[in-house]
Amino acid sequence: EAGVTQFPSHSVIEKGQTVTLRCDPISGHDNLYWYRRVMGKEIKFLLHFVKESKQDESGMPNNRFLAERTGGTYSTLKVQPAELEDSGVYFCASSQVSGNTIYFGEGSWLTVV
Amino acid sequence: TQLLEQSPQFLSIQEGENLTVYCNSSSVFSSLQWYRQEPGEGPVLLVTVVTGGEVKKLKRLTFQFGDARKDSSLHITAAQPGDTGLYLCAGGGSNYKLTFGKGTLLTVNP
Repeated sequence: EAGVTQFPSHSVIEKGQTVTLRCDPISGHDNLYWYRRVMGKEIKFLLHFVKESKQDESGMPNNRFLAERTGGTYSTLKVQPAELEDSGVYFCASSQVSGNTIYFGEGSWLTVV
Repeated sequence: TQLLEQSPQFLSIQEGENLTVYCNSSSVFSSLQWYRQEPGEGPVLLVTVVTGGEVKKLKRLTFQFGDARKDSSLHITAAQPGDTGLYLCAGGGSNYKLTFGKGTLLTVNP
């Protein structure tokens, strides 16, 4: 069974540009999460989807970040326009039932220059 | 805001030695999870503890949840080079959100 897959694995963009990160959760997992780790900090929660609905987006840093999960399958996280402080690794995770084991993807490394 | 303090931040030991990693908070968590992360990969769940005072063992790894559910420890016996990695603790609340510590980077030298 395939795990959580993320694309791209690495991305280098200039400040002001747009980047879209994609996450494919484990098949059948209704819950999808985005987390982020910026340099020197701990991994922090960004938001949580249940199927296509946003359950909690309280961790989203600001309105430059937009997450979608159309059809309740894969999810995208768009950063527009990107700023230097957005650099870090963005993790996607999924689970079957809230509170059950959460499986993390390998992360998308974003560098904004 | 809930915070989890992990210590030590870095640990370099020789093969065969024992070690303990600590995870402390002033907040109560309904569960405490330990993850291990290797370079280029995402965190992989090792164990979840949910009851105050609970002890779980996973081969040479022993995990303990504090009585007050505010702290936890990970003890590794007879460490091996394959144990090298970043160990993360994460506290769970009444919902699905995880609060992570910054991690302990463990290096076990042969």
